[in-house]
Amino acid sequence: AQTVTQSQPEMSVQEAETVTLSCTYDTSESDYYLFWYKQPPSRQMILVIRQEAYKQQNATENRFSVNFQKAAKSFSLKISDSQLGDAAMYFCACRTSGTYKYIFGTGTRLKVLA
Amino acid sequence: GAVVSQHPSRVICKSGTSVKIECRSLDFQATTMFWYRQFPKKSLMLMATSNEGSKATYEQGVEKDKFLINHASLTLSTLTVTSAHPEDSSFYICSARRGGGNTEAFFGQGTRLTVV
Repeated sequence: AQTVTQSQPEMSVQEAETVTLSCTYDTSESDYYLFWYKQPPSRQMILVIRQEAYKQQNATENRFSVNFQKAAKSFSLKISDSQLGDAAMYFCACRTSGTYKYIFGTGTRLKVLA
Repeated sequence: GAVVSQHPSRVICKSGTSVKIECRSLDFQATTMFWYRQFPKKSLMLMATSNEGSKATYEQGVEKDKFLINHASLTLSTLTVTSAHPEDSSFYICSARRGGGNTEAFFGQGTRLTVV
């Protein structure tokens, strides 16, 4: 079975600063994908970034980047130049290749301080 | 990106009644749709996976007779909460993916169900 753990229920960051959200996971599969999803107050789940486990290079999307440590089963999200619009719940998720069952962590609420 | 729409966004129903939630893929054909439940300040828990034209596959612990899922077309899946009780009150989210390729699923905006 897969598990995803987010140990930070809540984080705060000053506007324009950088923040890192932690995520660890456990899976017995060799081929899988990892994700960070953003859930703003509207509750719409938005895909922030995706990482294929077979790729060593860390994924980046503009101000968002990940630190993927496969051996440690760690997948943290770094948000640079934080903006007020980044305030949301952030969920780390994992799915096995070939299935589309996403296993989500418990989420980290990010507050951005003006 | 692709659009997945849920209706209604909010619904209040009386205990003992049934309520139907729709999930539509607006600009693509969704061979597979997923239904999640999100408790307050909690994560999304997968309830079931539905493939068009076949029976849904329920996750362990989910009552299939209580949460009826129908995926009659490539653009519509419905979740019916039967004989709803206050403990069924929750936020329900669907997601849908295109068939083929390695594309991710897209999420609907969710439905807040309150059973009174």
